[in-house]
Amino acid sequence: QKEVEQDPGPLSVPEGAIVSLNCTYSNSAFQYFMWYRQYSRKGPELLMYTYSSGNKEDGRFTAQVDKPSKYISLFIRDSQPSDSATYLCAMSPNRDDKIIFGKGTRLHILP
Amino acid sequence: DAGVTQSPTHLIKTRGQQVTLRCSPKSGHDTVSWYQQALGQGPQFIFQYYEEEERQRGNFPDRFSGHQFPNYSSELNVNALLLGDSALYLCASSLGGAGRRNSPLHFGNGTRLTVT
Repeated sequence: QKEVEQDPGPLSVPEGAIVSLNCTYSNSAFQYFMWYRQYSRKGPELLMYTYSSGNKEDGRFTAQVDKPSKYISLFIRDSQPSDSATYLCAMSPNRDDKIIFGKGTRLHILP
Repeated sequence: DAGVTQSPTHLIKTRGQQVTLRCSPKSGHDTVSWYQQALGQGPQFIFQYYEEEERQRGNFPDRFSGHQFPNYSSELNVNALLLGDSALYLCASSLGGAGRRNSPLHFGNGTRLTVT
């Protein structure tokens, strides 16, 4: 079993819809959880950074962490064509530890 | 505010050759991590440098080595290139030491290495 599982998609949704992206993980030691967005031919860009369980909201983006279920989610409200990208979940046990990434989910927002 | 810069952006090498990739961290950052991203995959951790020392290493062979300079910039060296080394090599910087708690990784746009 991989440490971090993420459906590669592609996921296509109409503009304005709510997008839900998810990852599951197997290592209960993970405490730091991140979501990165990666456009084609670019490096990953940090979207959300959370510690332990709970929700975090930033504009149209909401990150949720459910540690008992080993499940994290990213919600995008009022999706825009500019949100079309690959979304990578990432996590680590401690702040200084290496970060483990999921494979990424390709998202297409249809105008 | 200069972000993470990497050079070159693209590189084509032949099997068996050696390659050096370069990275300048975001202004104010002192820790550099290197990741390998194969096509359709997430980035995989190679190693991390802090205070000119390799602090952590992922599951990569000794053919992969690195260096950090006093100005915090870094190099990634790969010897005896294999076809399977073709990938996007990403450099990420962060703040180590006492400031690390609120300093997530900031990535450059990578170097695309093709081994033929």
